[in-house]
Parts: sequence; C-alpha cells; structure tokens
Amino acid sequence: QQQVKQSPQSLIVQKGGISIINCAYENTAFDYFPWYQQFPGKGPALLIAIRPDVSEKKEGRFTISFNKSAKQFSLHIMDSQPGDSATYFCAASMRDRGSTLGRLYFGRGTQLTVWP
Amino acid sequence: DTAVSQTPKYLVTQMGNDKSIKCEQNLGHDTMYWYKQDSKKFLKIMFSYNNKELIINETVPNRFSPKSPDKAHLNLHINSLELGDSAVYFCASSPERWRSTQYFGPGTRLTVL
Repeated sequence: QQQVKQSPQSLIVQKGGISIINCAYENTAFDYFPWYQQFPGKGPALLIAIRPDVSEKKEGRFTISFNKSAKQFSLHIMDSQPGDSATYFCAASMRDRGSTLGRLYFGRGTQLTVWP
Repeated sequence: DTAVSQTPKYLVTQMGNDKSIKCEQNLGHDTMYWYKQDSKKFLKIMFSYNNKELIINETVPNRFSPKSPDKAHLNLHINSLELGDSAVYFCASSPERWRSTQYFGPGTRLTVL
C-alpha cells in the first residue's frame, strides 16, 4: 500500500513558470514531510522540509504548503529554471510503533522538465 | 571529501552470483540506511542501522544481508542474485533517529544478467 501518493508523474514547465507537485497521505502518525531532489545518476538530496505544526515554509524559490486537515502537502517552485529539471520526491516520516527510529516513506516521484 | 560514498558505482553480474556493496560516511552520523530504487524510480527502505544495531529490517529476501562493522560503514551482501535484484541501491545516513535529513550516497547500479 502506497503510504504517500504523489502527482503528477511528470511535469513540463516553461522557464520562469511555476511548478507545482502535490502529495497526499492517510496516516496521521506522519510528523515530518521532506522533499528530495534527484538528478540523473545522483542520489536524492534534501530540498526543503516541513513539520505539521506549520502551514507553509519557504526557502528561496521553493515553498512547501501544508494542509493538515486535508492531509495534503505540495511543493511550489517559483520562476522555474532549466537547472531545476530533476525528479522530485515527497516523503513522510514517522516512528514505527516500538521503534526509536523514524522511517521515510517516499512518493513515486515527479519528473520535472523546465524548457528554456 | 564525499559525505556518503558507495563502491562500486556499477555492478554487472550473472544470476546466481554473490556480490557486496560497500558504504562509508564521514559525517559522524549514528544512523545509516539501505534503499532500493527500482526501474520506475520508486525508493523503498530495506534496512536501517543505528550505531551498528539493526533497527529496521523491511520485508526483503534473506539473500540480502547488511553488515555494519562500525558506525561509519554499512555494507550490503547479496547472495544468489536474481534478475529482479537489478536496481539502484542507495546508502544513506542521518544525524538523528527521527525527523532528520537523510544524506544519500551516489548509488550503485546493479544489473543482473
């Protein structure tokens, strides 16, 4: 069962446009929501993260919007650039019952292409 | 001064062989992970260690055996390789057990022929 559902699977945006990727979850035990960026041939790297007590977090051109009641969160990339072309993964983390370790559940990824 | 390194970068082998992937982190983190990324780029956790102790052991075949000789190293040994094992395997580490950034290595692309 997919714990975190991500859409769209692929996204094509013109340079300077806004890229929006959406994620949804069901399990209310999730308490940390990071976004990872992966370039071809590289490992994922943390882009930005949010905790559920905050509705929005902005870092430069990247913003996470978080809707706790709807159990949804999204990544907005303002003024998208060709260098932003990559695969983006949303994720959600919680501690398993009886465990001291947080576990990350990833969405299936969104392939973003920004055309110049 | 790579933070999380993996060797080898590419691994091509025949079905039935045994192979190992090595991971080292120089970040001083206590927690390390192995992930599998399939051909559709889906990332799934396989194992997690904290200070050399196995914490998470997902439902993976017991042909996969992780070993952590010290908290800076987490190796993955795979016995009797199968075609379905072909994937990219990522090692990662994090400074905290929970709500923490995970730092991923560059990955090892395993191809089983």
